[in-house]
Amino acid sequence: DVKVTQSSRYLVKRTGEKVFLECVQDMDHENMFWYRQDPGLGLRLIYFSYDVKMKEKGDIPEGYSVSREKKERFSLILESASTNQTSMYLCASKKVWSGHLDLETQYFGPGTRLLVL
Amino acid sequence: AQSVTQPDIHITVSEGASLELRCNYSYGATPYLFWYVQSPGQGLQLLLKYFSGDTLVQGIKGFEAEFKRSQSSFNLRKPSVHWSDAAEYFCAAPLLTSGSARQLTFGSGTQLTVLP
Repeated sequence: DVKVTQSSRYLVKRTGEKVFLECVQDMDHENMFWYRQDPGLGLRLIYFSYDVKMKEKGDIPEGYSVSREKKERFSLILESASTNQTSMYLCASKKVWSGHLDLETQYFGPGTRLLVL
Repeated sequence: AQSVTQPDIHITVSEGASLELRCNYSYGATPYLFWYVQSPGQGLQLLLKYFSGDTLVQGIKGFEAEFKRSQSSFNLRKPSVHWSDAAEYFCAAPLLTSGSARQLTFGSGTQLTVLP
């Protein structure tokens, strides 16, 4: 089974702190994603990475950065946490597009619920 | 632009009753569509997916969904709901982005409450 793990289930930080959220997958997936989930807004893409050291902005990248130094690990960084970044953060991964549609499935981690005070 | 809409924010059904959750999509070509479920405090789990072929798709936990091109819909159904089905349900579709990565665009979700 594909396994996507996130370093923390719950996190409490103070405004201005630098926050690291870690995501690890064990299925050798090329593509990894960070989403933010807020009530009534569904999931919104923050950043994604299509391979090691490759990253691109999603729909709401402001206030965030990412790092992908190894294939299995994708980190989300809040450079200076703010209260409006209080949210649920979900990591996902999948195989690179190979023309096989049955592989176009994203696998999600359990999420990190972040509270910024 | 491609988009996915879930018109119902919250649905309440009694245990044993049938369920239908609505999803509408906006696409130029044949879409790829997914339904995910999120139980309280958990990540998202794939229920089922549609790529092509048979328009009635079977998923896990007794769920099915029907793709209807004429109505631009991909509604999720279950004939008899169990209390454990109480969760939030998301319809999603992939968007091709750079490097062949496909981000998912999600509907805003439908929260399902199941009454005893």
